[in-house]
Order: sequence, then C-alpha cells, then structure tokens
Amino acid sequence: GAVVSQHPSWVICKSGTSVKIECRSLDFQATTMFWYRQFPKQSLMLMATSNEGSKATYEQGVEKDKFLINHASLTLSTLTVTSAHPEDSSFYICSVSTGVPGMGDTQYFGPGTRLTVL
Amino acid sequence: AQKITQTQPGMFVQEKEAVTLDCTYDTSDPSYGLFWYKQPSSGEMIFLIYQGSYDQQNATEGRYSLNFQKARKSANLVISASQLGDSAMYFCAMREGLSRDDKIIFGKGTRLHILP
Repeated sequence: GAVVSQHPSWVICKSGTSVKIECRSLDFQATTMFWYRQFPKQSLMLMATSNEGSKATYEQGVEKDKFLINHASLTLSTLTVTSAHPEDSSFYICSVSTGVPGMGDTQYFGPGTRLTVL
Repeated sequence: AQKITQTQPGMFVQEKEAVTLDCTYDTSDPSYGLFWYKQPSSGEMIFLIYQGSYDQQNATEGRYSLNFQKARKSANLVISASQLGDSAMYFCAMREGLSRDDKIIFGKGTRLHILP
C-alpha cells in the first residue's frame, strides 16, 4: 500500500495566488521529508529538506520566501507556493525516508501534485 | 559537476530481452547509497532497488538487479525478461551518507521503450 500521500493531486490557480500542498507519511513517523520539483521531460530537482520542528533547509537557488515549508508534525509537511506565477507550474513531489529491514533507508515518494498557474 | 550520469536518454528494447541501463556516479564520501526508480507516465516514483556502498553483493529484487562496480563508480540496472509494462522513465539516484536524513540526488533519466 501507499507509504506517502499528497494532496491535492492536481491544482490549477490564477497567477498571484498561493497554493498549499500537503505531504503525509502514512505508516510511520518522519522527522525528515524532502520536496522535489520536476519540469516536463526533466529529472527531479531537490528543492528543500523539511525538518520536523525546525526550519527547512533549502537548496541553492530555491527562494525560501516563495516556497514556504512547514513540518509541524511527524506525519505532515506542507509546501506553500506563494504568489504563484506561470513559471512555477510544475510537478511537485515529496518523499520520506524509512528504514526497510535489509534494504537500507529507502526513500519513498508521494504520488505528486501537478500545479498549473494560469 | 554532475554527480549522477545517465548517458542513455532513450532506449528501445524488444519484449522479453534483458535490458541494461547505465549509471555512473561521482562521490568522495565512502558511505553512500545508490537507488533506481521507475517513473511511468502517471508520474509516480516507484522504488526498484537499493545498493549500499559497503554491500558486498549486488542487490537483486525480482527481475531487477544492480550491477555494482565500485572501482568504476558504476551502478547499472539490469532488467531481465523485459515486459511491455517496463516502458517508463528510469532514474538512477545517489545519497551521500547512509543516514535516512541525507538527501538524494537524481540523474537525468533514461526513457525505456519496450517493443512488442
């Protein structure tokens, strides 16, 4: 079954509005979650590492004031795209690492959220 | 510099044949993990296989095996007896460090097409 869920699965919004994306770990507590962005026909680019109870760590070039991350509980991290613009249209995916016996700490991904900004 | 290199942007393979997807990596950290993920057109990332840098044997998971050549910094994915459902994008990824909190970075991917 699914290990990580995301909501919504897709969203269309007007330019200038803010959009919140939720990422939940379903079967375990996660002190760390990761947010990725994927543009069409490209690879996943890590945006930030979400840490429960503390500030997120952003990758170089990612605007922390534009992409607000809140990790208020051990099962929920949210990504808010503030004042979204068409260039923010992308596929946003979260992931969680969990220990799987014999397989190392595998990182499982949510189903993704497709954001379209008009 | 790229840390994960996948040199095959696309591949076409006949059904039931074996497939090898190439991946080379670059790290100076002795502790690292290597992953392969499959991304079908739906967009979900499906975990396939994992290899830790200290693992002595090559990882295997059903039809998937990872050909780990540590000295060459190579971690090729081998899919045996390919099926039509294997058509997808495949990403090689690396985590420097072995903690679950260490971030994973991805290669550019290889699009695999299985022909009937």
